[in-house]
Amino acid sequence: NAGVTQTPKFQVLKTGQSMTLQCAQDMNHEYMSWYRQDPGMGLRLIHYSVGAGITDQGEVPNGYNVSRSTTEDFPLRLLSAAPSQTSVYFCASRRGISTDTQYFGPGTRLTVL
Amino acid sequence: SQQGEEDPQALSIQEGENATMNCSYKTSINNLQWYRQNSGRGLVHLILIRSNEREKHSGRLRVTLDTSKKSSSLLITASRAADTASYFCATDRGDDKIIFGKGTRLHILP
Repeated sequence: NAGVTQTPKFQVLKTGQSMTLQCAQDMNHEYMSWYRQDPGMGLRLIHYSVGAGITDQGEVPNGYNVSRSTTEDFPLRLLSAAPSQTSVYFCASRRGISTDTQYFGPGTRLTVL
Repeated sequence: SQQGEEDPQALSIQEGENATMNCSYKTSINNLQWYRQNSGRGLVHLILIRSNEREKHSGRLRVTLDTSKKSSSLLITASRAADTASYFCATDRGDDKIIFGKGTRLHILP
């Protein structure tokens, strides 16, 4: 199993551009989530999904959209990038209930100029 | 707002010593999890303790949970250079959201 994969690894955007961060898992996990990590701030939850077709907001959802059309994929969309969205983005997944082990992807480092 | 707060923010100890990190949280939880993050990498799940448990062990790791004080501690015994990393606590409040603290940076000195 590849586990949780994220693409791209690095990305530089200009203010106002849009892009999609990709996340995929091959473990048939129902639960997937997106976090951003900023220096000194730990990880903050952006959006999460408890299964295909179901998404919900986390702590910092503004400026981000998600969809979950398949169990495997959970893309994160930035519609109009802002410098405040410069961060490292991590995708995570777990099988289902909250006591299941959560697995993280390697992260995408995004810079918005 | 973030649920967990780790203490200390940074910790340096000699190899072979024990390292203790603490986590305090604000609201009732179903379980609390500890993760490790090596520099520039994703997080790795270390251990989970449920709200009805008081202590849990995994290898050199020992986690305690005091729900009356809303706090948890992670003890790493006989530290090694490879333990150098950031450690995060994360809480599950039963609402499908896993909320992380800001982390403790642990540096093991040779």
